[in-house]
Amino acid sequence: DTAVSQTPKYLVTQMGNDKSIKCEQNLGHDTMYWYKQDSKKFLKIMFSYNNKELIINETVPNRFSPKSPDKAHLNLHINSLELGDSAVYFCATDRGGEQYFGPGTRLTVT
Amino acid sequence: KNEVEQSPQNLTAQEGEFITINCSYSVGISALHWLQQHPGGGIVSLFMLSSGKKKHGRLIATINIQEKHSSLHITASHPRDSAVYICAVNTGGFKTIFGAGTRLFVKA
Repeated sequence: DTAVSQTPKYLVTQMGNDKSIKCEQNLGHDTMYWYKQDSKKFLKIMFSYNNKELIINETVPNRFSPKSPDKAHLNLHINSLELGDSAVYFCATDRGGEQYFGPGTRLTVT
Repeated sequence: KNEVEQSPQNLTAQEGEFITINCSYSVGISALHWLQQHPGGGIVSLFMLSSGKKKHGRLIATINIQEKHSSLHITASHPRDSAVYICAVNTGGFKTIFGAGTRLFVKA
């Protein structure tokens, strides 16, 4: 039973489209994150949510919007996709500072 | 300059060698993490440290808070240890800063 799951695993789409990536956790953790890993494998935080409240938005363009319908889900919606959005996006949860990562979603914008 | 620096960037070792990966940081932290990312892409948390030393199997992680430095050691390295090892620090307020990673390749 996967602790942190993401769908889809792969997403290929054209510039200008709108897409969503879903994240679900069954760990009961209050804090969830979205991270972006670029082509050089560098991870950067995008959003941090604690109990459905946005804590950190690290200078992410407002084309990106996290949505948390409940404590177990934190989805990432991206409007007007650009080539530079191509990356692997990781969802993670946090308990006492220890993080549990989802498998990642590889987004390719053509 | 990144607030979390790792060295080396790339490391090739022979099976059985003792490996050390270093992490230095320039910010105040509440905890430091060592993560492992396998070629398949998944990320696994290896250690979370706020002081001292932790050991898990062949892996040992140490941290020196005064010197703002941590090391990850792998004893008796094996080809299955080949992965990217990432140092990350919690700076408080749910913020995490990542190092660029160290790509390790262990030859049989």
